[in-house]
Amino acid sequence: NAGVTQTPKFRILKIGQSMTLQCTQDMNHNYMYWYRQDPGMGLKLIYYSVGAGITDKGEVPNGYNVSRSTTEDFPLRLELAAPSQTSVYFCASKNRDATEAFFGQGTRLTVV
Amino acid sequence: DQQVKQNSPSLSVQEGRISILNCDYTNSMFDYFLWYKKYPAEGPTFLISISSIKDKNEDGRFTVFLNKSAKHLSLHIVPSQPGDSAVYFCAASGRGGSEKLVFGKGTKLTVNP
Repeated sequence: NAGVTQTPKFRILKIGQSMTLQCTQDMNHNYMYWYRQDPGMGLKLIYYSVGAGITDKGEVPNGYNVSRSTTEDFPLRLELAAPSQTSVYFCASKNRDATEAFFGQGTRLTVV
Repeated sequence: DQQVKQNSPSLSVQEGRISILNCDYTNSMFDYFLWYKKYPAEGPTFLISISSIKDKNEDGRFTVFLNKSAKHLSLHIVPSQPGDSAVYFCAASGRGGSEKLVFGKGTKLTVNP
């Protein structure tokens, strides 16, 4: 019973490098989300998707891109990494009619 | 502009006593309120929720109270156990299973044996 799976768990990037954070869910959920959590702060929404082929910006989308080609996968792309993107990233999913979302274990990203 | 506020960064209680975590919100369009629990190096896990048409929801040791007029909700944990030590996030969403969840900054609860 995997739920929401994120890879990698940890990553160190140099300024200007790019990478993709992977997220997959096996619950057939319509909605998927990317959040970031900075120290002492709550979770801030980066992007979300209400179904395959549909994505929308959240509160802090700058510097990120997403795609949703399948129901299961929702990768997050960082094109030009900056130190301000050092954070813990969480992917989540939920059913359209549900209130609670299920979260992955997170990816800790450091940009140096 | 913070729509969901948890003004206490931390709370410490003795095992067996009651823990009360508070949350305030500013957006009157919020329809559902949720509490999540987060252990270090793990993702948040859903704990309990309440619809805006209710004022109380109970699940075992956890009870959430909603005061719509004050735009305030609280999570009561009775009795508190050391395993309850974690960061608790309050979250809110709009009507009809709206797609966005808005989170507060969290309160770190420590339950001392």
